Amino acid sequence: EAQVTQNPRYLITVTGKKLTVTCSQNMNHEYMSWYRQDPGLGLRQIYYSMNVEVTDKGDVPEGYKVSRKEKRNFPLILESPSPNQTSLYFCASSFKGQGGYGYTFGSGTRLTVV
Amino acid sequence: KQEVTQIPAALSVPEGENLVLNCSFTDSAIYNLQWFRQDPGKGLTSLLLIQSSQREQTSGRLNASLDKSSGRSTLYIAASQPGDSATYLCAVPHNYGQNFVFGPGTRLSVLP
Repeated sequence: EAQVTQNPRYLITVTGKKLTVTCSQNMNHEYMSWYRQDPGLGLRQIYYSMNVEVTDKGDVPEGYKVSRKEKRNFPLILESPSPNQTSLYFCASSFKGQGGYGYTFGSGTRLTVV
Repeated sequence: KQEVTQIPAALSVPEGENLVLNCSFTDSAIYNLQWFRQDPGKGLTSLLLIQSSQREQTSGRLNASLDKSSGRSTLYIAASQPGDSATYLCAVPHNYGQNFVFGPGTRLSVLP
């Protein structure tokens, strides 16, 4: 089944403790992206990647890191999480190209930083 | 900078009604527009993708139209059902078609 898989689905952590949220897609998509969703603010892009070893900042990149060493994986790293990073996080992927094929989203990761 | 708005913010209708959700965007130079459904606390499910050369797309009881020149899209839901209750979001790309900007969503409740 074609899908984007995020892990974990739920995570509670303490301020300052490094964490990684994994994202993997099995559709051979070039493009991958991370979003966070907050009440009243909607979905905002954190980082995106056009292909392996190519990443760029989205609208809200502060406090986050990403890497794209393999085409299928795009982990989101929080080196020193803070409570304002408590949010619902989504990974998405698509084929690259103008015109687009649309996004496929993961099921989300609900992160709570205390 | 592309901005996307959706009207109404929330909508409550009795089962069986036909309804229209609206999406507006400020930059008409888009490659496509995508409509998503999101259930509470869940991920986004793609409903319809309309390419810039198309005027509408249909999937079952859903029909989405696109008017690029006026910066508008509508999602029409026919014969609504309680299972249609969810938040509906539209999204348009910027940055060479790969970086999507999302609207705030319309929260739909269909009452039995």
